[in-house]
This record gives sequence, C-alpha cells and structure tokens, in this order.
Amino acid sequence: GAVVSQHPSRVICKSGTSVKIECRSLDFQATTMFWYRQFPKKSLMLMATSNEGSKATYEQGVEKDKFLINHASLTLSTLTVTSAHPEDSSFYICSAETSGGAGETQYFGPGTRLLVL
Amino acid sequence: GEDVEQSLFLSVREGDSSVINCTYTDSSSTYLYWYKQEPGAGLQLLTYIFSNMDMKQDQRLTVLLNKKDKHLSLRIADTQTGDSAIYFCAESGDYKLSFGAGTTVTVRA
Repeated sequence: GAVVSQHPSRVICKSGTSVKIECRSLDFQATTMFWYRQFPKKSLMLMATSNEGSKATYEQGVEKDKFLINHASLTLSTLTVTSAHPEDSSFYICSAETSGGAGETQYFGPGTRLLVL
Repeated sequence: GEDVEQSLFLSVREGDSSVINCTYTDSSSTYLYWYKQEPGAGLQLLTYIFSNMDMKQDQRLTVLLNKKDKHLSLRIADTQTGDSAIYFCAESGDYKLSFGAGTTVTVRA
C-alpha cells in the first residue's frame, strides 16, 4: 500500500527557535498533501492543504507566517513552525492524497510530536 | 460547516463484537471513512464506503451507512486485544476530510 513517512518523529526545541518537519510519500506521487494538528484526546484539525508547485491553502485561524509550508516536489512537503512557543507543542500529522479507481484516499504519516520548552 | 460526532469511549470483552457509531451532517459527502490510531502513531485507514452504498464488509469489519439518517457504524467481529485503539470516522466534503473526535476502544480480557 501507499506509505507516507515523517521526519523527525519527535523533536524537542527551545522557545523561539524554528522547527522543520518533513513529509514524504515513499512509493507514489502525491499532488496534494495535508497538514493536521492533533491535540491530546482530540480530533485532527486540518491546518493547510499543500499542492505541489503552488502556495498552500490555510484553514481559517491558522497563521501562514507561523506555519510555513513548502511543497517542493510530488513526494515532499515540509512544515516549518517558526519562532515556536510552548503552545505550539502538539502532534503534527501529514497525509498525502492519491487518486485511484475507487476514489481519492489520504494516506497518513506516523506523526511528529513537537515539544517546545 | 461539517460536523462529525462519535461517542468517546467503548469497552468490550475480548471475543465479542464492537460497534462504533458516528453521525455526520454534510449530506454531500462522497466517501465516509474509518481510521484507526494506535498510541503515538498516525492514522491507519481501515475501510471506507461510497455514499451510495449501505453496507461494506471486509474480513472482521462491517460498515453500515444510513444515508437518510446520516449515520455510520463500524462493527468489529471477534474483537481482539490488538483492536484496542482510537477509531475516527471521517467524511469527505468539498476538498477535505472532517473527523470526529475519535472513539477510544478498550478490549478487556
């Protein structure tokens, strides 16, 4: 099946620093990738939709200057949390979309746990 | 906007069937999905159903869809300890997935 990886799986950083998270589709090309944030015991909140070669579309309430998304190729999207603060601590999950005969399906990465001290 | 609701907890004895329920509000949903999340991990797609179907069976999993009532359920037959996880239902709206809050399933011996 389709595999999506994320790197790093876990990161601890100091307040004020920037953190980059990579999302890769390993065995398929993804024209669209999604970035989600998950709070403890809560659902996934879509942050932004990323299309290769174009600017990301951010959901309402998500600061685009804070969460920079770059979708450089059909297999790689990056999320950079700039000037991270403790309230940015969360579980960040990406997904990549592939379209097939049965309809479009998102495949999820394993997630990146960010802790900002 | 889209709204997806699930009960938060389900406890089931090993070997019994589990039934997880979900309701949604977006009548234009094309596909409805069930995802499984184990502790500290991402989401694993379990199964999905097209909105013009009312049932789909895949090994131990049975999905029932009542489109009129906008009600989706996932039945897991012969529940095992490895089925302990959080289960999310999701519906596909215009361009994105909307998730419920997740049902934590605990399997007891």
